Amino acid sequence: QKEVEQDPGPLSVPEGAIVSLNCTYSNSAFQYFMWYRQYSRKGPELLMYTYSSGNKEDGRFTAQVDKSSKYISLFIRDSQPSDSATYLCAMSVDSSGGSYIPTFGRGTSLIVHP
Amino acid sequence: DTGVSQDPRHKITKRGQNVTFRCDPISEHNRLYWYRQTLGQGPEFLTYFQNEAQLEKSRLLSDRFSAERPKGSFSTLEIQRTEQGDSAMYLCASSFGRLDGELFFGEGSRLTVL
Repeated sequence: QKEVEQDPGPLSVPEGAIVSLNCTYSNSAFQYFMWYRQYSRKGPELLMYTYSSGNKEDGRFTAQVDKSSKYISLFIRDSQPSDSATYLCAMSVDSSGGSYIPTFGRGTSLIVHP
Repeated sequence: DTGVSQDPRHKITKRGQNVTFRCDPISEHNRLYWYRQTLGQGPEFLTYFQNEAQLEKSRLLSDRFSAERPKGSFSTLEIQRTEQGDSAMYLCASSFGRLDGELFFGEGSRLTVL
């Protein structure tokens, strides 16, 4: 079993839909939770960053972390065709405890059609 | 442009040849990471530098792979005696460390081994 599990999709939605992307993980030491967006043939770029549990909102994007369930989510409101990309979750332990090397999920491919 | 740059962007080589990739991180970043990504998978950690010190290497990293970061600036990743299984995108990322796990990625170097 991988440390970080993510459904690869593809997830196809109409423009304007609310999108929910999710990851589960097994390492309870993870404290930093991130979402990266990767367009085809490009490197990943950081989208959202959350420390420990809770919610974080940035424009149309909301990240949620539920450490008790080892489950994180990314919600995209009013999705646009330009949101079509692969969304990678990533997580790392607190650097004071050792490694600060993010572990990535395999990514979910999102297609938003007009 | 002051982002992470990687060179070459695409390398085609024959099995058994050696290849070298170069990464120039964002200038004030002291942390540098190499990841490998294959189609449909998330980035897989290879190795990590803090300044010029190589602090971690993945257990999955074959001894055919070597990385350096002389003087804590640019980094090189060399693969000796390439195999077809080495075909992948090699991603370099850098970080200043203010937010653990906030990596800035380059656009990657795609390796095709024939």
